[in-house]
Amino acid sequence: GAVVSQHPSWVICKSGTSVKIECRSLDFQATTMFWYRQFPKQSLMLMATSNEGSKATYEQGVEKDKFLINHASLTLSTLTVTSAHPEDSSFYICSARDEAPSSYNEQFFGPGTRLTVL
Amino acid sequence: GENVEQHPSTLSVQEGDSAVIKCTYSDSASNYFPWYKQELGKRPQLIIDIRSNVGEKKDQRIAVTLNKTAKHFSLHITETQPEDSAVYFCAARGYTGRRALTFGSGTRLQVQP
Repeated sequence: GAVVSQHPSWVICKSGTSVKIECRSLDFQATTMFWYRQFPKQSLMLMATSNEGSKATYEQGVEKDKFLINHASLTLSTLTVTSAHPEDSSFYICSARDEAPSSYNEQFFGPGTRLTVL
Repeated sequence: GENVEQHPSTLSVQEGDSAVIKCTYSDSASNYFPWYKQELGKRPQLIIDIRSNVGEKKDQRIAVTLNKTAKHFSLHITETQPEDSAVYFCAARGYTGRRALTFGSGTRLQVQP
C-alpha cells in the first residue's frame, strides 16, 4: 500500500512555544489530507481537512488560529500548534487518500506524532 | 454530520473463540466502512473494509457484514489469537463532502491465552 510519513514522531516542548508537524505522502499525490487528534484511550477525532492550494477546513470547536495548516504541495501538509499548552498534549495523526482511480480510495495513515507540552 | 457508535467498549474472549464488534452510523449517504486495528502508540491499520453495495466481505479469520437498511455493520473475528489483542475502530465515510472518516469510539479486545 501507499506510504504516509510524519515527522517528528515525538516532541516535547515548553508551554507557549510552537510546534510544527509534517505529513508527507511518499509515493502518491494527495490533494486532500486529514489531521486527527487522539487523546489517551479515546478515538481519533478529525481536526481539519487540509486542501492543497487552498484554506483548510476546520471541524467545529477547533481553533484555526491555534492549529495552522498549510498544504503547499500535493505531497506535503503541515500542522503547526501555536502557543502550545499542556492540554494540547496528544497523539496527532495525519492521513491521506490516494485518489488514483485504481487505488480504491483507501485512506493511509501516518505513524503519528506524540506531542507533550510541559 | 456523521455519527458512529461502537459497542462494546471492551471485550475479553478466550483464545479460539469468536469476537464480534458492532457499529451503527447515522448518515444514510455513507458508503464506505473500514475497520482498523490500533496497537498502543501506533497508527491505525486497516484490516478490512466494505462498501455499501456489498452485504458481507471475508478475509481469512475476519469478516464484516453491513445492513444498510438498519445502518449498522459488524466485525467478526473467528479463532481469535493473543496477537489479535488491540483496540479496534470502525469508521464510516460519505460519498460527498469532505470525505473524511468518522470513527467509532473503539473496542479494546483482549484475547486470553
